Amino acid sequence: EAQLVESGGGLVQRGGSLRLSCAATGFSFSSYWMTWVRQAPGKGLEWVANIEEDGSAKYYADSVKGRFTISRDNDKKFLYLHMNSLRAEDTAIYYCAKVAMAGGYNWFVPWGQGTMVIVSS
Amino acid sequence: DIQLTQSPASLSASIGDRVTMTCRASETIRDFLNWYQHKSGKGPKLLIFGASNLQSGVPSRFSGDQSGRNFTLTINNVQPEDVATYFCQRGWTFGQGTKVDLK
Repeated sequence: EAQLVESGGGLVQRGGSLRLSCAATGFSFSSYWMTWVRQAPGKGLEWVANIEEDGSAKYYADSVKGRFTISRDNDKKFLYLHMNSLRAEDTAIYYCAKVAMAGGYNWFVPWGQGTMVIVSS
Repeated sequence: DIQLTQSPASLSASIGDRVTMTCRASETIRDFLNWYQHKSGKGPKLLIFGASNLQSGVPSRFSGDQSGRNFTLTINNVQPEDVATYFCQRGWTFGQGTKVDLK
C-alpha cells in the first residue's frame, strides 16, 4: 500500500527557514511526479510545488516562487520542501502527495497526513 | 487560469439522507475533474477521478456526474463517517470546499 509521511514542520520566526520531508513507501517512488499542497487555517487547499520523476523539472505557485525549493532523493524515497524567507501567510498544514497522470489529466493519491508550519511575527 | 467554484459552502444532513454538492468550472474542462474527502487531522482522500470514476476502496454510496461545466458529487445514504469537507480539483487548482456535517 502506498503511503506518505511528512515531517519537519514547526514554529519558525518570520524570515526564517524550514525543511519539510516526505517519506514514501509502498510504490515505485522514482516513477511518479510528486507535489506539495498546503492548507492555511480556515482556507481551502492551495497547490505549492511539483517535481517531475527524475527531479529535472520543478514548478511553483507564484506565492512561493523564489522562496521555496522542491527536491527529491529517489534512492532514499524522500521528497523535500525547502522554505526560506517565511512569511505569516505561509502558516499552513503542508501535505505531500503522489501525482497520478493519465490521458492528459492528473489526480493526487495518496496524500500524507500533513505537517503544520507556523510562522510567527 | 481555470477557476473551480463549489456550492454550497456547507450543508447539514441527517443519517440516511442523499446530498449533492456542485463544482462549476470557469471554462470547459472535459471530464478532467476529481473529488476528495478531507477529514480534520487527516490528509485528503481521493473519492472520484475523471468526473465519475469511483476510486478503489471508496464506498459505492459516493458518485460523481457531469453536465457541461457543472460537476456534482452525491452521497447516498449519508453515514456519520461522511462528516468532512469535500474538494474538487482539476490540474493544480482546487475548489474552496463544501463542508458536510450532521443535523
